Amino acid sequence: DVKVTQSSRYLVKRTGEKVFLECVQDMDHENMFWYRQDPGLGLRLIYFSYDVKMKEKGDIPEGYSVSREKKERFSLILESASTNQTSMYLCASSLNYEAFFGQGTRLTVV
Amino acid sequence: GQQVMQIPQYQHVQEGEDFTTYCNSSTTLSNIQWYKQRPGGHPVFLIQLVKSGEVKKQKRLTFQFGEAKKNSSLHITATQTTDVGTYFCAPLDGFQKLVFGTGTRLLVSP
Repeated sequence: DVKVTQSSRYLVKRTGEKVFLECVQDMDHENMFWYRQDPGLGLRLIYFSYDVKMKEKGDIPEGYSVSREKKERFSLILESASTNQTSMYLCASSLNYEAFFGQGTRLTVV
Repeated sequence: GQQVMQIPQYQHVQEGEDFTTYCNSSTTLSNIQWYKQRPGGHPVFLIQLVKSGEVKKQKRLTFQFGEAKKNSSLHITATQTTDVGTYFCAPLDGFQKLVFGTGTRLLVSP
């Protein structure tokens, strides 16, 4: 079974902190994605990566950056956390089409 | 980027009733996927549609892709309480970018 693991299930951070959300997949997938999910807004794509060191902006990249130094790991970075970044963050990976999701990280910025 | 709208946003049915969610795009899609997210869970892949006019069935679920490849639908016959969750459509573009629709939340009362 494909496994996508997010480093934390719940996080509480202070405004202005630099926050790292880590995601690891174990199936050698080329593509990895970061989404945020908010009530009534569905899943919105922040960034995705189709190869090591490659990244593409999604629909809402402002305030975020990503890093993909190894194929299995895709990190989402909040350079200076703000309260409007309080959300559920979901990581996913895919090879050709079917995407597999991690369990999500609920981030609260206070 | 690609935008897909789903309707309705929410539907509450009695067990045994049918349910349909519609996904509409302003642009022609190369393919479309459907995912289901149970309450408290993460999205899980259901199916991918590729061909114009394609219809696929999974037990009580019927998926359709429009002739013009600008819309898609998911129909559930005789809903059960296990069908509760949010259903998302998600077009996949040629660069493997996966963007989700706004989702339809289904509640089924016994």
